[in-house]
Amino acid sequence: EAAVTQSPRSKVAVTGGKVTLSCHQTNNHDYMYWYRQDTGHGLRLIHYSYVADSTEKGDIPDGYKASRPSQENFSLILELASLSQTAVYFCASRDSYAEQFFGPGTRLTVL
Amino acid sequence: GDSVTQTEGLVTLTEGLPVMLNCTYQTAYSTFLFWYVQHLNEAPKLLLKSSTDNKRTEHQGFHATLHKSSSSFHLQKSSAQLSDSALYYCALSVPLSGSWQLIFGSGTQLTVMP
Repeated sequence: EAAVTQSPRSKVAVTGGKVTLSCHQTNNHDYMYWYRQDTGHGLRLIHYSYVADSTEKGDIPDGYKASRPSQENFSLILELASLSQTAVYFCASRDSYAEQFFGPGTRLTVL
Repeated sequence: GDSVTQTEGLVTLTEGLPVMLNCTYQTAYSTFLFWYVQHLNEAPKLLLKSSTDNKRTEHQGFHATLHKSSSSFHLQKSSAQLSDSALYYCALSVPLSGSWQLIFGSGTQLTVMP
């Protein structure tokens, strides 16, 4: 039973279009995170949230928004998708011992 | 500032040889180090979490020892297997908004050849 799920698993978007990536967790964790993965850069934190209806900026928030409508759900929103946002995006939730549990990832291609 | 350095971007080994992936870090906090492993088209998963200074932690044949004197947490295995081929991330836990954030290194792609 996968504890962190993401949808869609892959998406092709057009430059300037709006993209929403969704994440759902059943871990009952307060903290949730969005990362992007690029070859040579590892995993970089975009946004995170520690409570419903509140989000915080991570290390590379420019061009991204986030939404946390409930403890279980955390979305990443690209209002105006750009070519440079082509990447794999991972959602994660965190337990009290600092271990993070990752979702399967979403491969986003912006054309 | 806080950072994690993985010097090898790509490591290629022959099956049966020992594995050592380097990880050094910089932080003013007394905290944890982690190794995550990511197989192709899968999510990163926790492999190891550091214990106290100079204590070895082991899991699934891999081991690592936190050395605060040298700010290192290198990942080792005595004999590589084909199934060990994956992307390995070293990560540092640092304070963030009253809790903890992970800072990841750039990753080391390990390829084990027959």
